[in-house]
Amino acid sequence: EDQVTQSPEALRLQEGESSSLNCSYTVSGLRGLFWYRQDPGKGPEFLFTLYSAGEEKEKERLKATLTKKESFLHITAPKPEDSATYLCAVRTSGGYNKLIFGAGTRLAVHP
Amino acid sequence: EAGVTQSPTHLIKTRGQQATLRCSPISGHTSVYWYQQALGLGLQFLLWYDEGEERNRGNFPPRFSGRQFPNYSSELNVNALELEDSALYLCASSYPEAKNIQYFGAGTRLSVL
Repeated sequence: EDQVTQSPEALRLQEGESSSLNCSYTVSGLRGLFWYRQDPGKGPEFLFTLYSAGEEKEKERLKATLTKKESFLHITAPKPEDSATYLCAVRTSGGYNKLIFGAGTRLAVHP
Repeated sequence: EAGVTQSPTHLIKTRGQQATLRCSPISGHTSVYWYQQALGLGLQFLLWYDEGEERNRGNFPPRFSGRQFPNYSSELNVNALELEDSALYLCASSYPEAKNIQYFGAGTRLSVL
């Protein structure tokens, strides 16, 4: 069964303290891995998509990387406005376009 | 450019009633997806519509149904509401081709009392 696991469940950082979020996956055939950010009471906001091992994408303080078994979302020198839940999702070869989501990592960045 | 819009923002129903949720996709997108986000659970795939047809369905009972209109907007209907149907229902839209990105609306919060 296709599965996505995110760790840690929650992460508390001081402003400027860099860290990484992990997304490990077990799927029959990966056709894309997606990172979203979700603020309380809002819908997920698209951040990155990765398609093959070794691929990397960057946006401001965020950098996403992909291996054959997991993806990392690196946050460099975070600010309080980076506080949110970060969701990882995969699309698989047999999935008919549906996204399979992990449970998310709740990030809190304190001044 | 307008994003995915959903209505209503909040919906309160009682057990046994029916709920109708609406979604308008981003202009040019023909695919619409519905997801359920229950408290403490991750997003669960419900339905995928493209060009007016249901293309895929998640592991939900038949009382969850929907349709897509000629203008690509979509409706999710939940019949015989149960308490555990209380959740945030999210709609996403995309182009139907491979490697597409799904863009989400703000969701409809359904509360079943």
